[in-house]
Amino acid sequence: GESVGLHLPTLSVQEGDNSIINCAYSNSASDYFIWYKQESGKGPQFIIDIRSNMDKRQGQRVTVLLNKTVKHLSLQIAATQPGDSAVYFCAVFNDYKLSFGAGTTVTVRA
Amino acid sequence: NAGVTQTPKFQVLKTGQSMTLQCAQDMNHNSMYWYRQDPGMGLRLIYYSASEGTTDKGEVPNGYNVSRLNKREFSLRLESAAPSQTSVYFCASSAQENTGELFFGEGSRLTVL
Repeated sequence: GESVGLHLPTLSVQEGDNSIINCAYSNSASDYFIWYKQESGKGPQFIIDIRSNMDKRQGQRVTVLLNKTVKHLSLQIAATQPGDSAVYFCAVFNDYKLSFGAGTTVTVRA
Repeated sequence: NAGVTQTPKFQVLKTGQSMTLQCAQDMNHNSMYWYRQDPGMGLRLIYYSASEGTTDKGEVPNGYNVSRLNKREFSLRLESAAPSQTSVYFCASSAQENTGELFFGEGSRLTVL
């Protein structure tokens, strides 16, 4: 099965700085990757996705980068705000199922 | 438009008791899922239903059963609860089975004593 891991379980960021959250996956055949955000007491919320035929995709203040050579995925958040404090999960979609990593807790310092 | 609604939000059970977690979505989605979330382990798929009338096992199905009652509703049943099933359970839905964009409910926190 798919193994999805995050490099750091926690990340503390100064408000206004950029955040980078990293993720590694094991299955080189994986071709669809997603980032989710989970605020305290809520369910995960879809942020952005990327297919394996792309290296980069941008959304509103977020950018996802995919390096298939080293099986690495990252989420960049520009100008981090207090509302960005949450747990962020990367997920890999294979065989109609999502496999989630363990999550990185992002704390934004005022 | 409520999205995905789960009940109950909290439940305490004794070992061996049974219960059903209910889930309903009002987005006319075809696919529905049940996940459990434990500290430090992310979310793990218990069962999913790609479409009305079908259900399939996920990563951790043992000790659980599911019913896709209709297109809107997907229930998760614990026949004989065990302390290892203490967790937060999330129901999710997606428009179709080949998308990773899932819509999650707010979770049901279950404690088994």
